[in-house]
Amino acid sequence: EAGVAQSPRYKIIEKRQSVAFWCNPISGHATLYWYQQILGQGPKLLIQFQNNGVVDDSQLPKDRFSAERLKGVDSTLKIQPAKLEDSAVYLCASSRQAGAGNEQFFGPGTRLTVL
Amino acid sequence: KNEVEQSPQNLTAQEGEFITINCSYSVGISALHWLQQHPGGGIVSLFMLSSGKKKHGRLIATINIQEKHSSLHITASHPRDSAVYICAVRGGGSQGNLIFGKGTKLSVKP
Repeated sequence: EAGVAQSPRYKIIEKRQSVAFWCNPISGHATLYWYQQILGQGPKLLIQFQNNGVVDDSQLPKDRFSAERLKGVDSTLKIQPAKLEDSAVYLCASSRQAGAGNEQFFGPGTRLTVL
Repeated sequence: KNEVEQSPQNLTAQEGEFITINCSYSVGISALHWLQQHPGGGIVSLFMLSSGKKKHGRLIATINIQEKHSSLHITASHPRDSAVYICAVRGGGSQGNLIFGKGTKLSVKP
């Protein structure tokens, strides 16, 4: 089965610009996650979707970050406007369902550099 | 103090050496994951375990629930094993989100 797809793989922008990332989860996976991984740190959960509904967005900086999964399949994560500290790898993951026993499968990530 | 602590942070080994990476956690968990991340960012799941020991090829993962500790061992290490190894724990509950350690950067020299 195809894995989690993400695009673009790399993005360089200037601060105050906007950027959007796209994720296509594994077919049939109801749960989708967006993580932010700053260099030298483990991934941090930004938002979790169950189908097209938001389950957890407690660590999403909502003044500048937004995410949607309108049809319960693909998802986009947007940053507007970007700050220098947003430079990180943005990882998308999916699982068949949420909760214990459901393995998460990760995409290749999008490396964002904000200048 | 982080909920998931890994040691060492960085590890350099010679090809063929036996490698151990440790993970300690302070929360109740339903499962523990060992993940591998190569330069470029993509993460691959190596193991998901909730008790005992699992083996896959040259990789062995163990967990001691009472001591809240897990180890990842690599036997006969090879330069292609060079990567960041991340320990992540899954809490209980209906969502059971992953809590990640900071990772251990392994470099295996030929």
